[in-house]
Amino acid sequence: DTGVSQDPRHKITKRGQNVTFRCDPISEHNRLYWYRQTLGQGPEFLTYFQNEAQLEKSRLLSDRFSAERPKGSFSTLEIQRTEQGDSAMYLCASSLEGFNQPQHFGDGTRLSIL
Amino acid sequence: GNSVTQMEGPVTLSEEAFLTINCTYTATGYPSLFWYVQYPGEGLQLLLKATKADDKGSNKGFEATYRKETTSFHLEKGSVQVSDSAVYFCALGPTGSSASKIIFGSGTRLSIRP
Repeated sequence: DTGVSQDPRHKITKRGQNVTFRCDPISEHNRLYWYRQTLGQGPEFLTYFQNEAQLEKSRLLSDRFSAERPKGSFSTLEIQRTEQGDSAMYLCASSLEGFNQPQHFGDGTRLSIL
Repeated sequence: GNSVTQMEGPVTLSEEAFLTINCTYTATGYPSLFWYVQYPGEGLQLLLKATKADDKGSNKGFEATYRKETTSFHLEKGSVQVSDSAVYFCALGPTGSSASKIIFGSGTRLSIRP
């Protein structure tokens, strides 16, 4: 059983650099979600896709953040001009379509800004 | 808006003790309720869920009952093990205002002493 896969697991970069994370969802799942989790807090929703369409974005997702899912399979999350406050764990999840479908999470990408 | 409040941690118990982690919610509509668990260095795993009032979710000896009258979804386990040490998140599923996002509580860290 292949779960949600995220790459890289850790990313350390200097302030001002751009970073890109990748998420591969469970293959039959057409919904994909991005969350951000800071230390000691629960995950906060950033955005979600149904197939290749980005259907909802949180106001947490500033204009430095962009997410894509070009072919409705894997997704990328890019952060431009990183800031100290971007340091967090970025979690990807996927689910089947439907209101009560559980979301399955990957192990996350931990971003540290120097 | 919708929100989840859960018991602050850390909670430290001895092995075989009884566990309760309190969770209450505020929501419009009739969301599903979830408990997720996060082991060190890993992403979130769905522990159990309940989709309507009076439903009881259960898994691995953990239980939680969806109580609409008290807007609660407390997590319980009769006899905890060292391997249960983790962070537990109560979460509110999508409602009509958002078809996608899960709203998480801030998490409760549980440590079990041998």
